[in-house]
Amino acid sequence: QVQLQQWGAGLLKPSETLSLTCAVYGGSLSGYFWSWIRQPPGKGPEWIAEINQTGGVNYNPSLKSRVAMSLDMSNNQFSLNLRSLTAADTAVYYCARARPPKIPYWYFDLWGRGTLVTVSS
Amino acid sequence: SSELTQDPAVSVALGQTVRITCQGDSLRNYYANWYQQKPGQAPVLVIYGKNNRPSGVPDRFSGSSSGDTASLTITGAQAEDDADYYCNSRDSSRNFVSVIFGGGTKLTVL
Repeated sequence: QVQLQQWGAGLLKPSETLSLTCAVYGGSLSGYFWSWIRQPPGKGPEWIAEINQTGGVNYNPSLKSRVAMSLDMSNNQFSLNLRSLTAADTAVYYCARARPPKIPYWYFDLWGRGTLVTVSS
Repeated sequence: SSELTQDPAVSVALGQTVRITCQGDSLRNYYANWYQQKPGQAPVLVIYGKNNRPSGVPDRFSGSSSGDTASLTITGAQAEDDADYYCNSRDSSRNFVSVIFGGGTKLTVL
């Protein structure tokens, strides 16, 4: 059974950089699209970015200037960096898997357990 | 627009049928997917595509769509269905790719 295990710092200060990593266990990065999604307390999910096995990346336009996503095929994991943090970036951050889009089908079929990231001075 | 609109809250009596809707332009190109989320847990996919249920999802959950509107129907709601429900889709209608979520519907089973 494929599982996503994620980790990263949970408490950061304003202006710092968030770094999260998600490892795929029991499966491969190949053949899928991998995303980061966040959910502020009491609000709905917000997609941050996705990467595919060739390293192609799409970013949420509202976060694009601060975000970088990368793939590590040798360790079967992918990562997220989000710069210049503010309190508005406080959220639970999830990694998730999707199959390649085949119009009109596309969906997240596997999620990590989430990492609470708090930005506070 | 690149938004998905959901009613914030819906209630249903135990054993009755409830429909949760999601509206947005992106649904003209991609099917909506539906996720159930309970407090402190990650979202779980319950319906994807035209009307597909992942393994383990009860058959009381079903999906449908027409034009720019998608619906999640729970036929014979159970107490354990009390949760938040989010729709989502991919959006490639503009000159960049995006993934969008609805604001969520809080379902209360009475």
